[in-house]
Amino acid sequence: NAGVTQTPKFRVLKTGQSMTLLCAQDMNHEYMYWYRQDPGMGLRLIHYSVGEGTTAKGEVPDGYNVSRLKKQNFLLGLESAAPSQTSVYFCASTKGRFSNTGELFFGEGSRLTVL
Amino acid sequence: AQSVSQHNHHVILSEAASLELGCNYSYGGTVNLFWYVQYPGQHLQLLLKYFSGDPLVKGIKGFEAEFIKSKFSFNLRKPSVQWSDTAEYFCAVPTDSWGKLQFGAGTQVVVTP
Repeated sequence: NAGVTQTPKFRVLKTGQSMTLLCAQDMNHEYMYWYRQDPGMGLRLIHYSVGEGTTAKGEVPDGYNVSRLKKQNFLLGLESAAPSQTSVYFCASTKGRFSNTGELFFGEGSRLTVL
Repeated sequence: AQSVSQHNHHVILSEAASLELGCNYSYGGTVNLFWYVQYPGQHLQLLLKYFSGDPLVKGIKGFEAEFIKSKFSFNLRKPSVQWSDTAEYFCAVPTDSWGKLQFGAGTQVVVTP
């Protein structure tokens, strides 16, 4: 039972380069999220999706784009990486409307360093 | 919109000591509250949650939390910690019904042998 899988787990980029983080879940969850984790700031929501083909901005969306072409996958893209995007990125998913489940399932994180 | 704050950023204690981590939330209607834990090098996992009913909630690994509405608090407790409880603990509250969570800044707990 894989749960939520993120790839890659580590990546080093130079300023200006682009990359895509892939999140895949095998639990048939409708809702998926991308968070970033920075020391002393907890987790902050970047973008989220409430179903295939839908995306929405979270708290810190600037510099990121997302796509949800398939229900099981949620991609996070950095078009032109900046040092401020050095962080640990977590993908999460949940079954449906929050009042029914209340629990997010997280991936193991992707550590991104931008030089 | 809901928000959440955690009072302690770093806690160091010895094995068998008692642990209490503070969490306060802002008022915003129906309250659902969560504690997540992140062990070193691992992903976040749910420790416990409060939706309604008994304000004393029991979670995994001997943790419990008490929802005190009058104090807007949801403090996490464990009577006797173990070295394996070394982790970062996050309080969280949903900001809407779409599953979006607002996390506190986290509390790094280090348990020494």
